[in-house]
Amino acid sequence: DIQMTQSPSFLSASVGDRVTINCKASQNINKYLNWYQQKLGEAPKRLIYNTNNLQTGIPSRFSGSGSGTDYTLTISSLQPEDFATYFCLQHNSFPWTFGGGTKLELK
Amino acid sequence: EVLLQQSGAELVRPGSSVKISCKASGYTFTDYYMHWVKQRPEQGLVWIGRINPANGNTVYAEKFKSKATLTADKSSNTAYMQLSSLTSEDTATYFCTRGLYWGQGVMVTVSS
Repeated sequence: DIQMTQSPSFLSASVGDRVTINCKASQNINKYLNWYQQKLGEAPKRLIYNTNNLQTGIPSRFSGSGSGTDYTLTISSLQPEDFATYFCLQHNSFPWTFGGGTKLELK
Repeated sequence: EVLLQQSGAELVRPGSSVKISCKASGYTFTDYYMHWVKQRPEQGLVWIGRINPANGNTVYAEKFKSKATLTADKSSNTAYMQLSSLTSEDTATYFCTRGLYWGQGVMVTVSS
């Protein structure tokens, strides 16, 4: 199975900050990497698909990059509604595997 | 509008089985794989497997091969997941998802 190591697990930041969240795969996943946001009690919401494609309706302050084994989600200027948990998902090969999550908290 | 409507919360006894549903609407059910994901309380997401509703073909994560059974009913546009030999480790919220679209989740609690 491909292991997805997500960092950091917790991130404390302020409104307006630029933040980055990383996922490292245990092998090349060929850019088949999605990013999700999850708020308490809700289903995950897809933000980015296939590394750098912004889902329709998602603000442009969210962006994704990466290749090979290393991928990054960037939020350019945090807004109050962005404080949530973020997960990466590799769908290059079965079984699909998620990163452990990053809980983004208000400083 | 694409909707995935899941069945209600379940309280089940250890050792029993449970079958949860995911009714799809707003798109052609047989055109998209349906995936299932597990989330234990305050924990991360785990992919269980997927089904092709067009032909019933399934792929499971190894650890769920003897735990979960995925089926789909084309006549009612509904996907199902049965979980067997339930233990406390199966207490979790289970989501169906088409990747972009997600059901609201079903909380399964295993308790005597």
